[in-house]
Amino acid sequence: DAKTTQPNSMESNEEEPVHLPCNHSTISGTDYIHWYRQLPSQGPEYVIHGLTSNVNNRMASLAIAEDRKSSTLILHRATLRDAAVYYCILRPWGGGADGLTFGKGTHLIIQP
Amino acid sequence: DAGVIQSPRHEVTEMGQEVTLRCKPISGHDYLFWYRQTMMRGLELLIYFNNNVPIDDSGMPEDRFSAKMPNASFSTLKIQPSEPRDSAVYFCASSFGPSNTQYFGPGTRLTVL
Repeated sequence: DAKTTQPNSMESNEEEPVHLPCNHSTISGTDYIHWYRQLPSQGPEYVIHGLTSNVNNRMASLAIAEDRKSSTLILHRATLRDAAVYYCILRPWGGGADGLTFGKGTHLIIQP
Repeated sequence: DAGVIQSPRHEVTEMGQEVTLRCKPISGHDYLFWYRQTMMRGLELLIYFNNNVPIDDSGMPEDRFSAKMPNASFSTLKIQPSEPRDSAVYFCASSFGPSNTQYFGPGTRLTVL
């Protein structure tokens, strides 16, 4: 499976934008880029996903590099509730349900 | 919808005892996944079901672990006998379709003494 690389941790201030990077240099043409996050003492939750074009939803934006070898999850205005571990995961389109392969993710710390 | 429901939320047991974790997926979802999270290994997939049938159990650590899904609304993960190294948070997740968003339950924190 194609792997992803994320920084272990990042710190940001409340109400400022946060850019969480993910490298996936071995991504295949049919891999979707998914982001999940895990708030303290909770199960992971879906954030956003995309294939080639940038994507926006109510939680975040996903910017995908033109060569698709990297992507960035953008939280436009971080709040204390956004403090979590963020996971960047590749999933093949139309593939079988192999489950989600979680790496170590990025531990996002939000300072008030 | 109530989301994925797991019980119990916390379980403390002694080594050698049988432990049963329960999961109720979101109604209408046809895939159910069991994951385990530890500090050392992070989140890892144990087994998943499609339409109540186990599809891939290659992540199940050993024969002490077993999982069943007798109907679309219920699944169990059983450990017999339990060992201290089984201490972890066990998550259940469900999805509609194989590659779609997975919805996770709150997890069961298992402590084996």
